[in-house]
Amino acid sequence: NAGVMQNPRHLVRRRGQEARLRCSPMKGHSHVYWYRQLPEEGLKFMVYLQKENIIDESGMPKERFSAEFPKEGPSILRIQQVVRGDSAAYFCASSTGQGVSYEQYFGPGTRLTVT
Amino acid sequence: TQLLEQSPQFLSIQEGENLTVYCNSSSVFSSLQWYRQEPGEGPVLLVTVVTGGEVKKLKRLTFQFGDARKDSSLHITAAQTGDTGLYLCARRYNNNDMRFGAGTRLTVKP
Repeated sequence: NAGVMQNPRHLVRRRGQEARLRCSPMKGHSHVYWYRQLPEEGLKFMVYLQKENIIDESGMPKERFSAEFPKEGPSILRIQQVVRGDSAAYFCASSTGQGVSYEQYFGPGTRLTVT
Repeated sequence: TQLLEQSPQFLSIQEGENLTVYCNSSSVFSSLQWYRQEPGEGPVLLVTVVTGGEVKKLKRLTFQFGDARKDSSLHITAAQTGDTGLYLCARRYNNNDMRFGAGTRLTVKP
Protein backbone atom coordinates (compact mmCIF):
# COMPACT_ATOMS: atom_id res chain seq x y z
CA ASN A 1 0.00 0.00 0.00
CA ALA A 2 2.94 2.29 -0.62
CA GLY A 3 2.19 5.79 -1.77
CA VAL A 4 4.46 8.00 -3.82
CA MET A 5 7.99 7.77 -2.48
CA GLN A 6 10.67 10.39 -2.78
CA ASN A 7 14.25 10.35 -1.69
CA PRO A 8 16.17 11.86 -0.24
CA ARG A 9 13.82 13.85 2.01
CA HIS A 10 16.50 16.45 2.59
CA LEU A 11 19.46 17.25 0.36
CA VAL A 12 22.22 19.78 0.94
CA ARG A 13 24.46 20.77 -1.94
CA ARG A 14 27.13 23.40 -2.40
CA ARG A 15 26.88 25.82 -5.29
CA GLY A 16 28.07 24.17 -8.49
CA GLN A 17 27.33 20.59 -7.42
CA GLU A 18 24.68 18.34 -8.93
CA ALA A 19 21.42 17.39 -7.23
CA ARG A 20 19.55 14.18 -8.06
CA LEU A 21 16.03 13.76 -6.77
CA ARG A 22 14.23 10.44 -7.07
CA CYS A 23 10.55 9.60 -7.23
CA SER A 24 8.85 6.22 -7.25
CA PRO A 25 5.19 6.52 -8.27
CA MET A 26 2.31 4.68 -6.67
CA LYS A 27 1.82 1.12 -7.83
CA GLY A 28 -0.13 1.07 -11.07
CA HIS A 29 0.64 4.72 -11.90
CA SER A 30 2.54 5.42 -15.10
CA HIS A 31 2.36 9.22 -15.10
CA VAL A 32 4.77 11.33 -13.04
CA TYR A 33 4.80 15.07 -12.45
CA TRP A 34 7.40 17.26 -10.79
CA TYR A 35 6.61 20.51 -8.99
CA ARG A 36 8.68 23.11 -7.17
CA GLN A 37 7.51 25.00 -4.13
CA LEU A 38 9.25 28.01 -2.66
CA PRO A 39 8.61 28.93 1.00
CA GLU A 40 5.16 30.47 1.53
CA GLU A 41 4.17 29.83 -2.09
CA GLY A 42 2.03 27.39 -4.04
CA LEU A 43 3.17 24.62 -6.35
CA LYS A 44 4.74 25.42 -9.71
CA PHE A 45 4.52 22.79 -12.40
CA MET A 46 7.86 21.77 -13.87
CA VAL A 47 7.58 18.63 -15.98
CA TYR A 48 5.21 15.78 -16.82
CA LEU A 49 6.52 12.38 -17.86
CA GLN A 50 5.24 8.98 -18.83
CA LYS A 51 7.48 5.95 -19.03
CA GLU A 52 10.43 6.84 -21.31
CA ASN A 53 8.69 9.98 -22.56
CA ILE A 54 8.64 13.64 -21.60
CA ILE A 55 5.13 14.87 -22.29
CA ASP A 56 5.36 18.48 -21.13
CA GLU A 57 8.47 20.24 -19.83
CA SER A 58 7.19 23.76 -20.27
CA GLY A 59 7.66 24.60 -16.59
CA MET A 60 11.23 23.43 -16.33
CA PRO A 61 14.17 25.80 -16.89
CA LYS A 62 15.91 24.91 -20.13
CA GLU A 63 19.37 25.04 -18.65
CA ARG A 64 20.75 22.89 -15.85
CA PHE A 65 17.46 21.01 -15.26
CA SER A 66 16.55 17.65 -16.75
CA ALA A 67 14.11 14.86 -15.94
CA GLU A 68 13.68 11.26 -16.92
CA PHE A 69 11.37 8.35 -16.21
CA PRO A 70 13.04 5.19 -17.48
CA LYS A 71 11.30 1.95 -18.31
CA GLU A 72 12.65 0.50 -15.07
CA GLY A 73 13.31 2.41 -11.89
CA PRO A 74 12.28 5.73 -10.44
CA SER A 75 11.83 9.07 -12.10
CA ILE A 76 14.80 11.37 -11.60
CA LEU A 77 14.94 15.14 -11.56
CA ARG A 78 18.50 16.32 -12.08
CA ILE A 79 19.78 19.80 -11.38
CA GLN A 80 23.30 20.50 -12.55
CA GLN A 81 25.55 23.25 -11.17
CA VAL A 82 23.07 24.21 -8.50
CA VAL A 83 22.71 27.83 -7.42
CA ARG A 84 21.19 29.28 -4.25
CA GLY A 85 17.97 30.08 -6.10
CA ASP A 86 17.40 26.35 -6.62
CA SER A 87 16.76 25.95 -2.89
CA ALA A 88 13.15 24.82 -2.61
CA ALA A 89 10.93 21.85 -1.90
CA TYR A 90 10.52 19.58 -4.91
CA PHE A 91 7.42 17.42 -5.03
CA CYS A 92 6.65 14.50 -7.24
CA ALA A 93 3.10 13.34 -7.97
CA SER A 94 1.75 10.37 -9.87
CA SER A 95 -1.51 9.40 -11.50
CA THR A 96 -3.04 6.68 -13.63
CA GLY A 97 -3.66 9.24 -16.36
CA GLN A 98 -7.13 7.83 -16.89
CA GLY A 99 -10.63 9.04 -16.25
CA VAL A 100 -12.11 12.47 -16.06
CA SER A 101 -10.54 13.59 -12.85
CA TYR A 102 -6.84 12.89 -13.45
CA GLU A 103 -6.22 12.91 -9.74
CA GLN A 104 -2.62 13.25 -8.69
CA TYR A 105 -1.13 11.85 -5.50
CA PHE A 106 1.90 13.52 -3.99
CA GLY A 107 5.03 12.31 -2.34
CA PRO A 108 6.47 13.90 0.83
CA GLY A 109 8.91 16.03 -1.14
CA THR A 110 12.65 16.60 -1.23
CA ARG A 111 13.88 19.75 0.44
CA LEU A 112 16.94 21.00 -1.39
CA THR A 113 19.22 23.48 0.32
CA VAL A 114 22.05 25.03 -1.67
CA THR A 115 24.80 26.53 0.45
CA THR B 1 -0.38 33.99 -15.67
CA GLN B 2 -2.29 32.49 -12.76
CA LEU B 3 -4.97 30.19 -14.17
CA LEU B 4 -6.53 29.81 -10.74
CA GLU B 5 -7.04 32.60 -8.25
CA GLN B 6 -7.47 31.63 -4.64
CA SER B 7 -8.77 33.91 -1.91
CA PRO B 8 -8.08 34.89 0.70
CA GLN B 9 -4.36 34.35 0.59
CA PHE B 10 -4.14 34.18 4.39
CA LEU B 11 -6.82 33.46 6.96
CA SER B 12 -6.46 33.32 10.72
CA ILE B 13 -9.44 32.35 12.85
CA GLN B 14 -10.33 31.01 16.28
CA GLU B 15 -11.22 27.41 16.88
CA GLY B 16 -14.95 26.85 16.45
CA GLU B 17 -15.47 29.51 13.78
CA ASN B 18 -16.71 28.82 10.27
CA LEU B 19 -14.83 29.85 7.14
CA THR B 20 -15.03 29.77 3.36
CA VAL B 21 -12.19 29.90 0.86
CA TYR B 22 -12.55 30.37 -2.86
CA CYS B 23 -11.00 29.25 -6.11
CA ASN B 24 -11.83 31.12 -9.32
CA SER B 25 -10.88 31.00 -12.97
CA SER B 26 -11.87 32.88 -16.10
CA SER B 27 -12.21 29.62 -18.01
CA VAL B 28 -14.29 26.48 -17.55
CA PHE B 29 -12.87 23.53 -15.63
CA SER B 30 -13.47 19.94 -16.65
CA SER B 31 -12.75 18.99 -13.04
CA LEU B 32 -11.25 20.54 -9.96
CA GLN B 33 -9.32 19.12 -7.05
CA TRP B 34 -8.82 20.47 -3.54
CA TYR B 35 -5.70 19.57 -1.58
CA ARG B 36 -4.47 20.33 1.91
CA GLN B 37 -0.78 20.63 2.66
CA GLU B 38 0.67 20.63 6.14
CA PRO B 39 4.11 22.11 6.88
CA GLY B 40 6.92 19.84 5.77
CA GLU B 41 4.62 17.46 3.91
CA GLY B 42 3.26 16.95 0.41
CA PRO B 43 -0.29 17.99 -0.57
CA VAL B 44 -3.00 15.49 0.27
CA LEU B 45 -5.99 15.15 -2.04
CA LEU B 46 -9.26 16.03 -0.29
CA VAL B 47 -11.84 15.87 -3.07
CA THR B 48 -12.48 16.03 -6.81
CA VAL B 49 -15.53 17.82 -8.20
CA VAL B 50 -16.63 17.25 -11.75
CA THR B 51 -20.24 18.30 -12.31
CA GLY B 52 -21.43 21.93 -12.31
CA GLY B 53 -23.37 22.65 -9.11
CA GLU B 54 -21.94 19.61 -7.39
CA VAL B 55 -21.65 19.64 -3.60
CA LYS B 56 -19.49 17.17 -1.74
CA LYS B 57 -19.12 16.81 2.01
CA LEU B 58 -16.17 15.43 3.90
CA LYS B 59 -17.01 15.56 7.62
CA ARG B 60 -16.92 19.29 8.47
CA LEU B 61 -15.71 20.28 4.99
CA THR B 62 -18.18 21.17 2.24
CA PHE B 63 -16.94 21.59 -1.33
CA GLN B 64 -19.02 23.26 -4.00
CA PHE B 65 -18.44 23.47 -7.73
CA GLY B 66 -20.05 26.47 -9.43
CA ASP B 67 -22.86 25.91 -11.92
CA ALA B 68 -20.72 27.31 -14.73
CA ARG B 69 -17.71 25.26 -13.60
CA LYS B 70 -15.51 28.35 -13.32
CA ASP B 71 -15.32 28.55 -9.55
CA SER B 72 -15.32 26.45 -6.44
CA SER B 73 -15.51 27.00 -2.71
CA LEU B 74 -14.50 25.13 0.39
CA HIS B 75 -16.46 25.75 3.57
CA ILE B 76 -15.24 24.50 6.95
CA THR B 77 -17.68 24.33 9.84
CA ALA B 78 -16.48 24.66 13.43
CA ALA B 79 -12.81 24.81 12.51
CA GLN B 80 -10.32 22.88 14.60
CA THR B 81 -6.59 23.45 15.11
CA GLY B 82 -5.98 20.33 13.04
CA ASP B 83 -7.47 22.14 10.02
CA THR B 84 -4.44 24.44 9.93
CA GLY B 85 -2.62 24.17 6.62
CA LEU B 86 -2.32 25.37 3.05
CA TYR B 87 -5.44 24.70 0.99
CA LEU B 88 -4.76 24.37 -2.72
CA CYS B 89 -7.11 24.04 -5.64
CA ALA B 90 -5.94 22.51 -8.89
CA ARG B 91 -7.34 21.96 -12.36
CA ARG B 92 -6.46 19.95 -15.38
CA TYR B 93 -4.42 21.84 -17.98
CA ASN B 94 -3.61 20.70 -21.51
CA ASN B 95 -3.18 16.93 -21.42
CA ASN B 96 -2.83 15.43 -17.98
CA ASP B 97 -0.97 18.37 -16.51
CA MET B 98 -2.40 20.00 -13.44
CA ARG B 99 -2.08 23.65 -12.48
CA PHE B 100 -2.40 24.87 -8.95
CA GLY B 101 -3.58 28.06 -7.36
CA ALA B 102 -1.26 29.85 -4.96
CA GLY B 103 -3.30 28.55 -2.02
CA THR B 104 -5.02 29.85 1.08
CA ARG B 105 -2.91 29.56 4.21
CA LEU B 106 -5.28 28.83 7.10
CA THR B 107 -4.32 29.14 10.75
CA VAL B 108 -6.80 28.00 13.37
CA LYS B 109 -5.93 29.25 16.83
CA PRO B 110 -6.91 27.36 19.98
